[in-house]
Amino acid sequence: AQSVTQPDIHITVSEGASLELRCNYSYGATPYLFWYVQSPGQGLQLLLKYFSGDTLVQGIKGFEAEFKRSQSSFNLRKPSVHWSDAAEYFCAVGAREYGNKLVFGAGTILRVKS
Amino acid sequence: DAGVTQSPTHLIKTRGQQVTLRCSPKSGHDTVSWYQQALGQGPQFIFQYYEEEERQRGNFPDRFSGHQFPNYSSELNVNALLLGDSALYLCASSIAGGPYNEQFFGPGTRLTVL
Repeated sequence: AQSVTQPDIHITVSEGASLELRCNYSYGATPYLFWYVQSPGQGLQLLLKYFSGDTLVQGIKGFEAEFKRSQSSFNLRKPSVHWSDAAEYFCAVGAREYGNKLVFGAGTILRVKS
Repeated sequence: DAGVTQSPTHLIKTRGQQVTLRCSPKSGHDTVSWYQQALGQGPQFIFQYYEEEERQRGNFPDRFSGHQFPNYSSELNVNALLLGDSALYLCASSIAGGPYNEQFFGPGTRLTVL
């Protein structure tokens, strides 16, 4: 079965500093990997996704993520964080044989210090 | 395009009652998935509807049921409510075909069971 682990419950970074949010997945074949962001009172917004090909994927709002098969990881990065990036971030995994079902991690809450 | 809409925004029920949540998918989408997001956790897949039939189901009891209408809108019904059913219920719509078709999430319905 698929599973996703986000080891960090909370992360605090200063505005302008770089950011890396960790995500590890468990799945036998090549997974479909996603990062979503959720602001208070809002639904989930897709930041980026990986299906195949180039292991470094670019997303919206200046985010990128790198798929590392050997480490079963899909970490999210941003070179310079803005105060508006404060939100909760979710990593998710899907698979063709599971249809549209996504399995989410528990999330990482990002706080940005000014 | 209004995107995915859900109603109501908030709902308060007591144990043992029944509740119905509603979802209108994004224009052009034919598949609706429902997720439960308990406080401090990531969304958990409940089930998915396509062509008015339940196509996939997560690990949820039969108290959770749903329906999809010919216009692709959907309802989630929960019977015999328990305190543990208190959560944010998210609806996501997509085009059928697998996880590579982006799922768009609504803002959710916050259910509180007293």
